Amino acid sequence: EVQLVQSGAEVKKPGESLKISCKASGYNFTIYWIGWVRQMPGKGLEWMGIIYPDDSDIRYSPSFQGQVTISAGKTITTAYLQWSSLKASDTAMYYCARRIGTSPGFDYWGQGTLVTVSS
Amino acid sequence: SYELTQPPSVSVSPGQTARITCSGDVLPKQYAYWYQQKPGQAPKLVIYRDSERPSGIPERFSGSSSGTTVTLTISGVQAEDEADYYCQSADSSGTYPEVFGGGTKLTVL
Repeated sequence: EVQLVQSGAEVKKPGESLKISCKASGYNFTIYWIGWVRQMPGKGLEWMGIIYPDDSDIRYSPSFQGQVTISAGKTITTAYLQWSSLKASDTAMYYCARRIGTSPGFDYWGQGTLVTVSS
Repeated sequence: SYELTQPPSVSVSPGQTARITCSGDVLPKQYAYWYQQKPGQAPKLVIYRDSERPSGIPERFSGSSSGTTVTLTISGVQAEDEADYYCQSADSSGTYPEVFGGGTKLTVL
């Protein structure tokens, strides 16, 4: 059974760093793109970027390029999303999701990680 | 990048048919994907490649495509179908992001 299990909710202060995780199981992790999607409170879904774990090829949305870093650890079948300096506007739910092969759709989703940034 | 446009809301009575549209210039050339998101839950894929239904998705969910518009149809709507629905597609030039539509709130009256 394919599963994506994300790390727990985080409460941080502006300027702090953060790395959240997405642990995959039940399939060959290295050959499926994994993506990250942001959902701000009461808003829609925003595509942030994707990573191909086998060679760490990464594609960012221009809106998020330079604002976050996406990475993955092949041997531990885990993808990551990190910030070096959080802002209040980073407060949101973040989902990881597995891409359908080479297609843009996401067939399996993590449960989400709520990140709250407040002074 | 490009845009995908959805109506903010659609309302139907139980048992009726709900149609949710998604419009965009990329849609004649690229497949669309539809997601259902209920409050407090992660999105769930309900249609992929315009009209394919993943395993476990009820047959009342179907998708179609015509020109620059794709449509998610829910036949015989049930109360449990009340949710936000998002379309997604990609740009044929291979640029990113792979945009989501703004979402449609389906209300079952």
